[in-house]
Amino acid sequence: DTAVSQTPKYLVTQMGNDKSIKCEQNLGHDTMYWYKQDSKKFLKIMFSYNNKELIINETVPNRFSPKSPDKAHLNLHINSLELGDSAVYFCASSQVGREAFFGQGTRLTVV
Amino acid sequence: SQQGEEDPQALSIQEGENATMNCSYKTSINNLQWYRQNSGRGLVHLILIRSNEREKHSGRLRVTLDTSKKSSSLLITASRAADTASYFCATDADFGNEKLTFGTGTRLTIIP
Repeated sequence: DTAVSQTPKYLVTQMGNDKSIKCEQNLGHDTMYWYKQDSKKFLKIMFSYNNKELIINETVPNRFSPKSPDKAHLNLHINSLELGDSAVYFCASSQVGREAFFGQGTRLTVV
Repeated sequence: SQQGEEDPQALSIQEGENATMNCSYKTSINNLQWYRQNSGRGLVHLILIRSNEREKHSGRLRVTLDTSKKSSSLLITASRAADTASYFCATDADFGNEKLTFGTGTRLTIIP
C-alpha cells in the first residue's frame, strides 16, 4: 500500500522528446507537489496544487506542465526535453501545515 | 532560492556517538520539519516542530528551534550505521502558501 507512488522510476530519453511522469497518492491529502533534486542534492519546489488547483509555480519553464485530474493525482508533462532537465523528480503530498509524504522519485536522464 | 542552509554539509562520526546538524532559515515560519533521505530513495519525514515550540523529541531524535535566531538543530543520539543518510530541514513559511522549502542538506556517515 504505497502512500505516494510515481511512475516511471527511471526515464532515459533523447533531447527534444516529450515525456510524462505520473503521481498518485492514497492518503486523502489536499495538497500535492512536484520537486526537482539536482545533482548536488538541492531540492527545489516546482509546483504545488491544492484540491486540483495550481497554488505555486516557481518560475518553472513553461515546457513543464502539471495536470491534476483529481486531488489524488498530479502528473508532470515535459515538452522538448533539454540536457539540463536531467534530475530526480519527486512527487509529494500533505495536508496544509503537516508533514509531507514523498514518492520514491523518477530519475530522468536526457541524452 | 534555498530557504535554509544546513551545517555541516557533511559529517562522519563513529557508531554510538551523537550527531548534531544545524539549519538556518530566512523567513518567518509556521513550522520546521526534518527529513531523511537514504541514497537513491525518497525523503522520509522525521519530526515536525511548530514555531511556538522550542524542543521536541522522537526516539533518539531531538530537535530544537530558536525563532529569534531563525535556526534549528537536529541531534541524533547513539548513532547507528543505519542512520547513514542525508538529512534535510524544511520550512513551512508563514505566507499562507502551500509549500515546503528545503535546506541544502547534511550528508551523515556513521562509521561502524
